[in-house]
Amino acid sequence: GEDVEQSLFLSVREGDSSVINCTYTDSSSTYLYWYKQEPGAGLQLLTYIFSNMDMKQDQRLTVLLNKKDKHLSLRIADTQTGDSAIYFCAERKGTNAGKSTFGDGTTLTVKP
Amino acid sequence: EAGVTQFPSHSVIEKGQTVTLRCDPISGHDNLYWYRRVMGKEIKFLLHFVKESKQDESGMPNNRFLAERTGGTYSTLKVQPAELEDSGVYFCASSQDRGVLGYTFGSGTRLTVV
Repeated sequence: GEDVEQSLFLSVREGDSSVINCTYTDSSSTYLYWYKQEPGAGLQLLTYIFSNMDMKQDQRLTVLLNKKDKHLSLRIADTQTGDSAIYFCAERKGTNAGKSTFGDGTTLTVKP
Repeated sequence: EAGVTQFPSHSVIEKGQTVTLRCDPISGHDNLYWYRRVMGKEIKFLLHFVKESKQDESGMPNNRFLAERTGGTYSTLKVQPAELEDSGVYFCASSQDRGVLGYTFGSGTRLTVV
């Protein structure tokens, strides 16, 4: 999408780390999200970060936020074949705005 | 707790026909959203209900699309008449609050207009 951009594909070997990148254009974005979509399934919320945070870690997932560059990344440590999916970055502005703006999604392929 | 349920999972219709998609949100979730993904591109917002009221319908592409949420429970999205460019995956999501902590999505309805 124009407002949220992601690279379309990423391929890694099992056990390596994966880093999925996202850039957004609106500096007023206050909440940023990562969703995962497995084949045939809906989107599953993986994690979120508020704009007043720089980093958030949750088990194998690390989210880094660079507000100056409007850059968000998702690092998956020890990537497994079950991590193969499409990963969507999303942002929203404020607590009252219900809608989120999503990127095109990054297809992660994990090779054994 | 049952998740967000969408029906049908797939629909193939001819151009000019009418299709109605249904979404059952998580019980108790006042906020219901419709999104769609066309041609493998970004997931685009269509509209947002709070209970039975349309809070934001700025993403509805044109008047061929009609969304309803009578009684504030399930919602329907009708496309009439369908055009080729309407093909895509239509996602429904719900949240208890305004979705600040994210949404719960359904599995989507894949609509193909031929």
